[in-house]
Amino acid sequence: GENVEQHPSTLSVQEGDSAVIKCTYSDSASNYFPWYKQELGKRPQLIIDIRSNVGEKKDQRIAVTLNKTAKHFSLHITETQPEDSAVYFCAAGGTSYGKLTFGQGTILTVHP
Amino acid sequence: KAGVTQTPRYLIKTRGQQVTLSCSPISGHRSVSWYQQTPGQGLQFLFEYFSETQRNKGNFPGRFSGRQFSNSRSEMNVSTLELGDSALYLCASSLGGDRISGNTIYFGEGSWLTVV
Repeated sequence: GENVEQHPSTLSVQEGDSAVIKCTYSDSASNYFPWYKQELGKRPQLIIDIRSNVGEKKDQRIAVTLNKTAKHFSLHITETQPEDSAVYFCAAGGTSYGKLTFGQGTILTVHP
Repeated sequence: KAGVTQTPRYLIKTRGQQVTLSCSPISGHRSVSWYQQTPGQGLQFLFEYFSETQRNKGNFPGRFSGRQFSNSRSEMNVSTLELGDSALYLCASSLGGDRISGNTIYFGEGSWLTVV
């Protein structure tokens, strides 16, 4: 089955800096790659997603890149703010109904 | 448009008991998936339902079961609870349909289950 590795497990940055989180996946058939943000005690919230026919997608301060050949995708957050502090999960899917395989998560802390 | 609604939000059960969790998907969404979230194992897929049929199942024992009703609402049941079943159980909904891929999945707030 699919396996998703996510790095780093923790990331600490100063406000205004950029943050990058990287994920690799094992199943070359995966074609859908969402990113979720989860604040303490809250639900995972979709922040951006990318499909395999696209190499890069951007939404304001957030961007995601996908390298299908290398089977890895990354989340880029620019001009980080304290409210960006949360756990971020990458996921891979698209090969079976309703199923996403998640990475282990990255705890992002943005210091004011 | 209302989001994914889960009830109850918090519950405490004793080992050996059973529990039923409920989920109402986003209006118009016909696919409901369930996930278990624990600190050790992360987010793991339990099963997916569409049009009252289970289309997909994760690697969980038969104590974990679910069903979907004609209005797309779903329930999941865990029988003979074990301490290790303590987790956040998340319901997710999507449009579903024939497409396997690319349907955006939205999560509910989850049901926190503690087994003592």
